[in-house]
Amino acid sequence: GIQVEQSPPDLILQEGANSTLRCNFSDSVNNLQWFHQNPWGQLINLFYIPSGTKQNGRLSATTVATERYSLLYISSSQTTDSGVYFCAVCTSGTYKYIFGTGTRLKVLA
Amino acid sequence: NAGVTQTPKFRVLKTGQSMTLLCAQDMNHEYMYWYRQDPGMGLRLIHYSVGEGTTAKGEVPDGYNVSRLKKQNFLLGLESAAPSQTSVYFCASRLVGDTEAFFGQGTRLTVV
Repeated sequence: GIQVEQSPPDLILQEGANSTLRCNFSDSVNNLQWFHQNPWGQLINLFYIPSGTKQNGRLSATTVATERYSLLYISSSQTTDSGVYFCAVCTSGTYKYIFGTGTRLKVLA
Repeated sequence: NAGVTQTPKFRVLKTGQSMTLLCAQDMNHEYMYWYRQDPGMGLRLIHYSVGEGTTAKGEVPDGYNVSRLKKQNFLLGLESAAPSQTSVYFCASRLVGDTEAFFGQGTRLTVV
């Protein structure tokens, strides 16, 4: 099955810093989402981005499907950005929605 | 419009007991999914359904059964709970085609 690897696995930032999270996948996908899991365990939809670039406030994401990766950019990070960030993909021709390994982010005040 | 609702939110079971987790969605979604998340880990797919009356195995199906008798509901059953099934369970749903998934708030299950 498809492999979904995220990097870095852990990241510690000072408030106000910028960061880039990466999601690599081993096969063609037709769906890709980014989620933020907050410290209370809730999964929050950030982006649905099977291709192209989107922006929402301080966050933006880019997916280059032909090269099998997606990037999540966080600018001017805040302590409320702390948590775990997951990408999830659905491969072409299947219905399975598979999660990546996650990036654990901690933003220090 | 409640989205995806999971019942119950918390449960403690004794080893060998059985239980059913309910996932209900009011968005007329065709596809539904059950995941488990162990501490410090990502989400792993248990079972999924592509429509009423259909189910299929995911990455970690052993020890679980599912049913999709109604389009809006997807049930996850544990016939004989084991401590290894202690986890947080998430349900998700989405429309047919290339569409985004929506998740429930999770069910925290402890098997003692």
